[in-house]
Amino acid sequence: DTEVTQTPKHLVMGMTNKKSLKCEQHMGHRAMYWYKQKAKKPPELMFVYSYEKLSINESVPSRFSPECPNSSLLNLHLHALQPEDSALYLCASSPRPGTYYEQYFGPGTRLTVT
Amino acid sequence: GQQLNQSPQSMFIQEGEDVSMNCTSSSIFNTWLWYKQDPGEGPVLLIALYKAGELTSNGRLTAQFGITRKDSFLNISASIPSDVGIYFCAGQPPSFGNEKLTFGTGTRLTIIP
Repeated sequence: DTEVTQTPKHLVMGMTNKKSLKCEQHMGHRAMYWYKQKAKKPPELMFVYSYEKLSINESVPSRFSPECPNSSLLNLHLHALQPEDSALYLCASSPRPGTYYEQYFGPGTRLTVT
Repeated sequence: GQQLNQSPQSMFIQEGEDVSMNCTSSSIFNTWLWYKQDPGEGPVLLIALYKAGELTSNGRLTAQFGITRKDSFLNISASIPSDVGIYFCAGQPPSFGNEKLTFGTGTRLTIIP
């Protein structure tokens, strides 16, 4: 089973709203990722968690706040977003940081900021 | 940052044809991954390559890790309608942490009726 789940599938929010994206995997993977993807572009890395600790932040604005409550869950808290933040947000996981490199992606959350 | 050149950008083929696409880099990679993405969905891992010269198949798909470690190709034989989508290569360069991938720009595959 190589399934990563993401909720919600679609999200529309205003610029003053606070919302959260959720990602879950039960494969025992110890690295989890958030990516942002614009139409017709490859995914862009935002954050990496290794063993539940934030290991990479790609200079993402503070209006995006990641959280890793345990080894199976990854959240992305959103606050005061801008219309240009509208995109497909992808979560991914990989088995063990530093040893295996294949990343498995979830289906994504389509975010629209109005 | 490091760039991956993926070609062609798009392909228009007829059902049953074979497909070939490739990724090249000016620097070496330790790992090459190939993904397929359908509209509105997340990328699905097709093939992972870990050694220079490695040739790996997954059904009608075959991918190779170039000997120089600077390129990889993906072939699809006897294409079918469900092969339509965007194909991304991704590489893990030795200069970054193990968790960071560099993605190619994608090849959009369309099947002409």
